[in-house]
Amino acid sequence: DIQITQSPSSLSASVGDRVTITCRASQNIRTYLNWYQQKPGKAPNLLIDAASSLQSGVPSRFRGSGSGTDFTLTISSLQPEDFATYYCQQSYSTPYTFGQGTKLEIK
Amino acid sequence: QLQLQESGPGLVKPSETLSLTCTVSGGSISSSSYYWGWIRQPPGKELEWIGNIYYSGTTYYNPSLNSRVTISVDTSQNQFSLKLSSVTAADTAVYYCTRLPTGYYSDYWGQGTLVTVSS
Repeated sequence: DIQITQSPSSLSASVGDRVTITCRASQNIRTYLNWYQQKPGKAPNLLIDAASSLQSGVPSRFRGSGSGTDFTLTISSLQPEDFATYYCQQSYSTPYTFGQGTKLEIK
Repeated sequence: QLQLQESGPGLVKPSETLSLTCTVSGGSISSSSYYWGWIRQPPGKELEWIGNIYYSGTTYYNPSLNSRVTISVDTSQNQFSLKLSSVTAADTAVYYCTRLPTGYYSDYWGQGTLVTVSS
């Protein structure tokens, strides 16, 4: 199985801050990396697929980048609605695997 | 607007079989453009991919679940289903059904259903 290491596991930030979340894959996954946002008690919401393809309706302050083994999700200017848990997922090969999650909290 | 809705028992006894159904509305499960899948999340933990199915019946499963998992599709009812046999407390989780365009990412999710394994 491909292991995904996501960091940090938690992050405190303020509205307006720029934050970066990182995922590292245990082998080359090209750009088969997706990002989801999950709020408490809700299903995850797809933000970005194929490492950098922003889903329709997702604000442009979200940006994904990377290829191979190293990937980042950057939120350029945090808004109150962005405080949530973020997961990355590799879909290069089955079993698809997720990162451990990053809980983004208000400072 | 596409909607997915999970249904099934919220409580299952250890060693029994967990059975869930996902009903798709607002779109056809027979579309050749999509796969359909199940993902679960134990309370307070990360997401775990269970498996995917194509409308033709082709399936992909997580080997960690060994031979306990079966995903099937019923195109006449616009539904797909999950069966997980010989459950233990470790199978307690919120189970989500999802749609996967091209099979690589989940763009629509059901609201999730909590299944507790307990006697």
